[in-house]
Amino acid sequence: GAVVSQHPSRVICKSGTSVKIECRSLDFQATTMFWYRQFPKQSLMLMATSNEGSKATYEQGVEKDKFLINHASLTLSTLTVTSAHPEDSSFYICSAGGAQETQYFGPGTRLLVL
Amino acid sequence: GENVEQHPSTLSVQEGDSAVIKCTYSDSASNYFPWYKQELGKGPQLIIDIRSNVGEKKDQRIAVTLNKTAKHFSLHITETQPEDSAVYFCAAPIWGYNNNDMRFGAGTRLTVKP
Repeated sequence: GAVVSQHPSRVICKSGTSVKIECRSLDFQATTMFWYRQFPKQSLMLMATSNEGSKATYEQGVEKDKFLINHASLTLSTLTVTSAHPEDSSFYICSAGGAQETQYFGPGTRLLVL
Repeated sequence: GENVEQHPSTLSVQEGDSAVIKCTYSDSASNYFPWYKQELGKGPQLIIDIRSNVGEKKDQRIAVTLNKTAKHFSLHITETQPEDSAVYFCAAPIWGYNNNDMRFGAGTRLTVKP
């Protein structure tokens, strides 16, 4: 149980385009989902927290207009990187939390912006 | 807010030896401490967790110990195998609106030499 999927697993896009990443909890309902960014050989940096049906809470320094988060249901959250630039290239990982504190992570999405 | 420190940043052991990774946290109200294993190019996977009502938890070759007074917890891997090689992250919760919020340690890159 507690499986979280992400799609796509990797994406290459041109500078200026937008990219949408989906995060799904497959066998449980996630009241809260989290989006992280991870640079090579570094730890997980929390970008934002989203609760189903409400606006996401962004961490300091994360542009909410650039990283659009939608948590439309208890099993789906999406992250859209708008007008992507090469510096947005990174490994994006989502996690989903249930009723207790445990977070279950997706497999990650590697974004490369050319 | 919660501050989580993890040591060492890198650890190399011989196959069959034990490995110990330590984390300290700052919020005395924290009561849930997970450990995650992240293999290259993948999302973190929960391997063991502990709640503050117990001091130790074991799962086969993996154990976690917790010292609430000193505010530190450790991951112990016995009889290490090459497949244990990965980056390990500890985490501690941040209490607030979202009780799933976590702060992660910087990670420990474990290498098990055959």
